[in-house]
Amino acid sequence: SQTIHQWPATLVQPVGSPLSLECTVEGTSNPNLYWYRQAAGRGLQLLFYSVGIGQISSEVPQNLSASRPQDRQFILSSKKLLLSDSGFYLCAYKQRGNTIYFGEGSWLTVV
Amino acid sequence: AQTVTQSQPEMSVQEAETVTLSCTYDTSENNYYLFWYKQPPSRQMILVIRQEAYKQQNATENRFSVNFQKAAKSFSLKISDSQLGDTAMYFCAFMKHVASGGSNYKLTFGKGTLLTVNP
Repeated sequence: SQTIHQWPATLVQPVGSPLSLECTVEGTSNPNLYWYRQAAGRGLQLLFYSVGIGQISSEVPQNLSASRPQDRQFILSSKKLLLSDSGFYLCAYKQRGNTIYFGEGSWLTVV
Repeated sequence: AQTVTQSQPEMSVQEAETVTLSCTYDTSENNYYLFWYKQPPSRQMILVIRQEAYKQQNATENRFSVNFQKAAKSFSLKISDSQLGDTAMYFCAFMKHVASGGSNYKLTFGKGTLLTVNP
């Protein structure tokens, strides 16, 4: 069965510091991978998606970047965090059944 | 661009009763998928139910069922015999195929409905 994990679960970082959130999927190959952000409030915003190694599409201009160094690994990064980067970040993958499944999420607080 | 609207920011229901959450969407696509996700206090996003637009039959999953009205672009979620563990934020989501240089599908979410089940 497929599983998805992301870490760290909670992160408190000062403004201007770098960021690295990692996500891995197991039990499947060549999945579509996604990073979503849920800011205070409710809605989920798609940040990046990837259909293969090294293939990254950005949905919104921002202070963040994403990379996919391996088939089942998706990394969300920033060189210098802003206060506005605070939020709940969710990694997700799509399996052949055209359903998207989510990881446990990572809380980022920029102080 | 697709939009998903959930007109009820908050709802409450008594335990064991039935509640219906509303969702409408706007699209020019004919083939797409619709989902309801549940986000409990743990914040993990959990799939509740999905519906393929080409299927006329409404999807059901145990106590959860949908009323899919394609012409009206409506996709409501009915929760029967509500349980305390159903307390969560519920998100309606739309997915279409995006063929931009590769196979891909993207989810568009509504803003959510906070459901509270009272004992």
